Amino acid sequence: QITLKESGPTLVKPTQTLTLTCTFSGFSLSTSGVGVGWIRQPPGKALEWLALIYWDDDKRYSPSLKSRLTITKDTSKNQVVLTMTNMDPVDTATYYCAHRSSITAAFDIWGQGTMVTVSS
Amino acid sequence: QSVLTQPPSASGTPGQRVTISCSGSSSNIGSNTVNWYQQLPGTAPKLLIYSNNQRPSGVPDRFSGSKSGTSASLAISGLQSEDEADYYCAAWDDSLNGWEVFGGGTKLTVL
Repeated sequence: QITLKESGPTLVKPTQTLTLTCTFSGFSLSTSGVGVGWIRQPPGKALEWLALIYWDDDKRYSPSLKSRLTITKDTSKNQVVLTMTNMDPVDTATYYCAHRSSITAAFDIWGQGTMVTVSS
Repeated sequence: QSVLTQPPSASGTPGQRVTISCSGSSSNIGSNTVNWYQQLPGTAPKLLIYSNNQRPSGVPDRFSGSKSGTSASLAISGLQSEDEADYYCAAWDDSLNGWEVFGGGTKLTVL
């Protein structure tokens, strides 16, 4: 059974750096074709794709946020970390991590999400 | 402003068939497959359709997807009250080193 869980601060100040950790079980990020991605959703708004890291360390970023995002993986710990610099109140959102299957090429299993508020 | 365009809302009565459209471009839907996600109120999204028209295990066959050119559609037949949710389309975009784009979401109301 695949599960993912996001963790990190619930409140960050403007200009600070956000670090979120996705801890997963039920799969290995060293398995060919597998990936873990991050998606966010501001309150009452649509989903926004942020970043994706594959088993071979291939990384993809949203072009509009690329300069602020870094995604890394620790295969031994079954974790994926997303950092976002220079946080702004518009970055207030629920942040989800999700498993990307090589079979479906889609996010087939999602974490519960973690709400991050950016405020001074 | 989402890269993929969906109608903000849709509605139907129980038992009806409703469709939700998703419009993109040659760099995303036109050259890649489309996935659909269902988000029930207060929950994380759930994969509903992948590769244009494939259902993951456990998804009722009332849900179906199709794609033509740079557009895709999600159809829900035999509408049920529990189908009231937000629906999002997504597709890989080949521009700018490759990334994935979502639609703006469609809120489905079961009247």
